[in-house]
Amino acid sequence: DSGVTQTPKHLITATGQRVTLRCSPRSGDLSVYWYQQSLDQGLQFLIQYYNGEERAKGNILERFSAQQFPDLHSELNLSSLELGDSALYFCASTRNPDRGGNYGYTFGSGTRLTVV
Amino acid sequence: AQTVTQSQPEMSVQEAETVTLSCTYDTSESDYYLFWYKQPPSRQMILVIRQEAYKQQNATENRFSVNFQKAAKSFSLKISDSQLGDAAMYFCAYRSPFNDMRFGAGTRLTVKP
Repeated sequence: DSGVTQTPKHLITATGQRVTLRCSPRSGDLSVYWYQQSLDQGLQFLIQYYNGEERAKGNILERFSAQQFPDLHSELNLSSLELGDSALYFCASTRNPDRGGNYGYTFGSGTRLTVV
Repeated sequence: AQTVTQSQPEMSVQEAETVTLSCTYDTSESDYYLFWYKQPPSRQMILVIRQEAYKQQNATENRFSVNFQKAAKSFSLKISDSQLGDAAMYFCAYRSPFNDMRFGAGTRLTVKP
């Protein structure tokens, strides 16, 4: 157990629907990152939050949004889903997004999203 | 923008032998960190080894070591005495302070008994 909790582990939904993925960071970590991993590909950075504030954006579609709550858990909202959104979505956390990241991120086990 | 390139989509090694996975990166930064992550079939991302760019000494973690060539922007991973449990996807990653982590496309390692 890495200490980063992602729910649900698996999600199957239809095109056009909306889903919410949840992430609880490791205790004491203030920064949360979301990544998307399509089949047999590398991880693509989506968005970062630090202590409740959006810190950086990557290749995140306008149909996707995220937020980090006062208790530091984060949610990634995916709407108007398309077949191509099927992927593994990872959440990672670090204590200090700037210097603490040199020890690498702690990843959750991911949410497998299948859009049918 | 920083990019990470893994030129070997697949590699194979015999159990107990040594294998080297390649990684190159492009950056204009002088201060950064490099990582190798392992992703077994469970899909969990596991940190294998990390290297600070300012350190000349190559990092080592048990059977895993790196060959860090800063001028060449190369960061290869050597796995010695390969074991069946080493079979996985391996991702090279780059991170500079104040920025997110960037990953290569991965190398799938097969270990033959």
